[in-house]
Amino acid sequence: DQQVKQNSPSLSVQEGRISILNCDYTNSMFDYFLWYKKYPAEGPTFLISISSIKDKNEDGRFTVFLNKSAKHLSLHIVPSQPGDSAVYFCAASPDRRSEKLVFGKGTKLTVNP
Amino acid sequence: DGGITQSPKYLFRKEGQNVTLSCEQNLNHDAMYWYRQDPGQGLRLIYYSQIVNDFQKGDIAEGYSVSREKKESFPLTVTSAQKNPTAFYLCASSTREWQPQHFGDGTRLSIL
Repeated sequence: DQQVKQNSPSLSVQEGRISILNCDYTNSMFDYFLWYKKYPAEGPTFLISISSIKDKNEDGRFTVFLNKSAKHLSLHIVPSQPGDSAVYFCAASPDRRSEKLVFGKGTKLTVNP
Repeated sequence: DGGITQSPKYLFRKEGQNVTLSCEQNLNHDAMYWYRQDPGQGLRLIYYSQIVNDFQKGDIAEGYSVSREKKESFPLTVTSAQKNPTAFYLCASSTREWQPQHFGDGTRLSIL
């Protein structure tokens, strides 16, 4: 039973445009959400997080939106750059202070020059 | 520079052998974790440790063992009981806030 779903295995966008990566979850106990970026043969790098008390969190070119009623979150990258090409993982935790982290399968983003 | 070091980067195991993957961190983090990634899959938690000399099973602990004798080190042993050990193994650590977790660059284990 997949509790965190990233339904698009891949996404291709042009440099300078917006990239939108989507994530759905099924467990209503999840209260804290994170996005990680992963290059081949490297470990994931933490990008941005959001707590359920917020519906938006912004950090530079990266913005995460949370729709708790729909159990949906999205990561927006504006403007997209070729260096953003990587696999993006959505992850969820029951609490900011929980050691449990459930990952989605990832979405491979390709930003074309 | 603080970080998490996993070694070796590539590891080959013969059938029936135990192998140990190393993970060291100098971030002064209390918690450490081991994950497994298979192609096209998300990361799955094998074991985690919140404090020295204590560790907990994750979702897929069967065929694996760990130790936490020092705060900086959390080695993972893949035993011969693990029937499908070929995967990419990632070690992570975090503060007592638990999130976010910070990852090493992984070890790719293959069976000869």
